[in-house]
Amino acid sequence: NAGVMQNPRHLVRRRGQEARLRCSPMKGHSHVYWYRQLPEEGLKFMVYLQKENIIDESGMPKERFSAEFPKEGPSILRIQQVVRGDSAAYFCASSKQGQDTQYFGPGTRLTVL
Amino acid sequence: QQQVKQSPQSLIVQKGGISIINCAYENTAFDYFPWYQQFPGKGPALLIAIRPDVSEKKEGRFTISFNKSAKQFSLHIMDSQPGDSATYFCAARWQTGANNLFFGTGTRLTVIP
Repeated sequence: NAGVMQNPRHLVRRRGQEARLRCSPMKGHSHVYWYRQLPEEGLKFMVYLQKENIIDESGMPKERFSAEFPKEGPSILRIQQVVRGDSAAYFCASSKQGQDTQYFGPGTRLTVL
Repeated sequence: QQQVKQSPQSLIVQKGGISIINCAYENTAFDYFPWYQQFPGKGPALLIAIRPDVSEKKEGRFTISFNKSAKQFSLHIMDSQPGDSATYFCAARWQTGANNLFFGTGTRLTVIP
């Protein structure tokens, strides 16, 4: 039973480029969450999605960031016109309907040069 | 504003000793309190979790103690082993609305042989 998968594991972008991070939830999981972790800090919630719906995006920066979880395929976190401050580890988690436990992927480490 | 406060920031324990990590929260609407373990370069992995209607939960060497009136909860690792060396995060989730977790800032545990 494969866990939460994220790719790429490492992503390097220059300032002004776009970053696309992908997350495939565990089999049978319909809820996806994105978190950001800055060095030496805890994880900060960004967005919570179910298939084709954004449930809560209260943690998303108002500009340049967007997320989707289409009917088919992985969830995508998209960062447009990246800046150095976007450098962080981005983690995706998934859960089943009605269950508390969130299972985390290995993360994507974004470096903006 | 940090919804969940965690201490200490780092902890060094001798092999066989007890490791204790503490967390405190303000929002009484939280209803689920998990602890996650994270190794360098990996995603957080759920260790143990508790709900506020229970004062203690034990799984193997790991115990959560929960004090609802004081709005505090702690993780105890008995017979600590070098393999337990990792960063530990407490978290909390609201009982209504979105399922997102609020994380503490983490405790880096080092168990020395």
